[in-house]
Amino acid sequence: KAGVTQTPRYLIKTRGQQVTLSCSPISGHRSVSWYQQTPGQGLQFLFEYFSETQRNKGNFPGRFSGRQFSNSRSEMNVSTLELGDSALYLCASSLDRFNNSPLHFGNGTRLTVT
Amino acid sequence: KNEVEQSPQNLTAQEGEFITINCSYSVGISALHWLQQHPGGGIVSLFMLSSGKKKHGRLIATINIQEKHSSLHITASHPRDSAVYICAVVSGGGADGLTFGKGTHLIIQP
Repeated sequence: KAGVTQTPRYLIKTRGQQVTLSCSPISGHRSVSWYQQTPGQGLQFLFEYFSETQRNKGNFPGRFSGRQFSNSRSEMNVSTLELGDSALYLCASSLDRFNNSPLHFGNGTRLTVT
Repeated sequence: KNEVEQSPQNLTAQEGEFITINCSYSVGISALHWLQQHPGGGIVSLFMLSSGKKKHGRLIATINIQEKHSSLHITASHPRDSAVYICAVVSGGGADGLTFGKGTHLIIQP
């Protein structure tokens, strides 16, 4: 069974630009959640999508948004990039919501904002 | 907002030792995840707990809901267990998302 696939693996963007990251979950998984990891703040929850609906959102500004498609694939968008958005962005999929199912993580997208 | 504390932050032990990593949280939860992250970034889910105890190979995870505390134990530790171990809690039935501890950096020396 294929694991969680995130694309691209690496991205370099300039301040003010926007970026879209993609996450393909394990087949049959209905929940996709997104996380930001930085050396200073560690892992932080961004949002969770289940059955194409955003179920919750972490403490991030509105520049961070996402969506989930009918095939459970998810995209995350960050607009008006800031230097502080440089981070490893991880997604995870699970069969059910993450209070009921283990998480399966992708390898992440490393975003560098210059 | 749930506060998640892990201890110790860093742990160096000899191969074969019994390892315990602790996780405490401030608000009642519906589930707790233990995760393992090796250098290079890959994160693996070890356990998801809502009560009691789970065992997988040399790893054991326990949770005490009343005391708001969970422990991860590694028996017969091995250098390949060297990694960062992270606990994450699900609060508000999931409505509050996941809150992470800062992680425990474990090094097992041969």
